[in-house]
Amino acid sequence: KQEVTQIPAALSVPEGENLVLNCSFTDSAIYNLQWFRQDPGKGLTSLLLIQSSQREQTSGRLNASLDKSSGRSTLYIAASQPGDSATYLCAVRTMDSNYQLIWGAGTKLIIKP
Amino acid sequence: DGGITQSPKYLFRKEGQNVTLSCEQNLNHDAMYWYRQDPGQGLRLIYYSQIVNDFQKGDIAEGYSVSREKKESFPLTVTSAQKNPTAFYLCASRITGNRGNTEAFFGQGTRLTVV
Repeated sequence: KQEVTQIPAALSVPEGENLVLNCSFTDSAIYNLQWFRQDPGKGLTSLLLIQSSQREQTSGRLNASLDKSSGRSTLYIAASQPGDSATYLCAVRTMDSNYQLIWGAGTKLIIKP
Repeated sequence: DGGITQSPKYLFRKEGQNVTLSCEQNLNHDAMYWYRQDPGQGLRLIYYSQIVNDFQKGDIAEGYSVSREKKESFPLTVTSAQKNPTAFYLCASRITGNRGNTEAFFGQGTRLTVV
């Protein structure tokens, strides 16, 4: 059964730093992996979608990588800003569960001014 | 604007009541999903529907019911059988062409509290 883990659960860094959020999954048979952002009390905003055939995707200051063989994805945030403070969730769409998303518990990121 | 609209934003339920959460999308997406989010946990799938007039149970369907009479709408009813309904509920949708490789989009959520 696919399991998704995000470590650390919380991270606090000074403004301006580059940082990496981690997501690991146990079954490499995935269609894609998606990174989301969630602000407190709000819904989820899709940040990046990486198909299983891709190695990385970029959007502005965000870069997500995917290594299927090792079951890992990273979300790199360059030049962090206080507005980046949110919870970041990753989810994989697996091949053995009728295309459902399997979710990590998220990393709560705080960027200190 | 195209998107997914959930209402209400906040909902309060008394013991023994059924309540219905609304989810509407104008993205022409085939599939719609309901998730429950509790603090410190990943999202858990309640129900999903891949086509009108058809829906499937997710991992935690007990105490919930849904309908899919229109492509645009996928309401979720939290029944009195759900003993711990206080949570944040999220609705999502996506196109199902090519089956697994499309992006999921989410509404802004409904926070349900038992009073």
